Amino acid sequence: KNQVEQSPQSLIILEGKNCTLQCNYTVSPFSNLRWYKQDTGRGPVSLTIMTFSENTKSNGRYTATLDADTKQSSLHITASQLSDSASYICVVTAGGYQKVTFGTGTKLQVIP
Amino acid sequence: GAVVSQHPSRVICKSGTSVKIECRSLDFQATTMFWYRQFPKQSLMLMATSNEGSKATYEQGVEKDKFLINHASLTLSTLTVTSAHPEDSSFYICSAWTGSTGELFFGEGSRLTVL
Repeated sequence: KNQVEQSPQSLIILEGKNCTLQCNYTVSPFSNLRWYKQDTGRGPVSLTIMTFSENTKSNGRYTATLDADTKQSSLHITASQLSDSASYICVVTAGGYQKVTFGTGTKLQVIP
Repeated sequence: GAVVSQHPSRVICKSGTSVKIECRSLDFQATTMFWYRQFPKQSLMLMATSNEGSKATYEQGVEKDKFLINHASLTLSTLTVTSAHPEDSSFYICSAWTGSTGELFFGEGSRLTVL
């Protein structure tokens, strides 16, 4: 069964600090992995997309890593800002774009 | 960039009535769109895959006669919640693939409240 698990479930950090979110998946055959940011009451917005051959990809203060061997991905947020407070969702696509599995999300709260 | 638009963003209806939510791809053609439901503090749950010109594919446990999906054109899919009940109150989100780049874009969501 395709599964995507994220940790931690929730996280509170001080503004300016760094944090790392984890995503473990059992999706097969792997196609790509995406990280999305979802503000409360809004639709998810794409942060990064990674294919099998990519190990790391950055988007501003967001850096995603992918280890296809261990089926793990992380999203590192540098110098967090209050606006980073949101849910971060890991989405893994298998065997073609129609097979999409969502992670349970990590709710991040950045406090002053 | 590609944009997916949902309408309405919020809707309140009486129990027993039907509600239609639209999902439009504004600057690209989407042969496949997806509909999700999200309850408070929970992850997105895929309800169905909407294919242009054919019947939608529903996930297990989703009543296809209650959640009617129509994908009549390459830029529009609609979700109709029929005979709505309070337990149908939720946040409904659509997404669409840009076939050329393989990007998956989400709409802003529609919050349904059934009284």
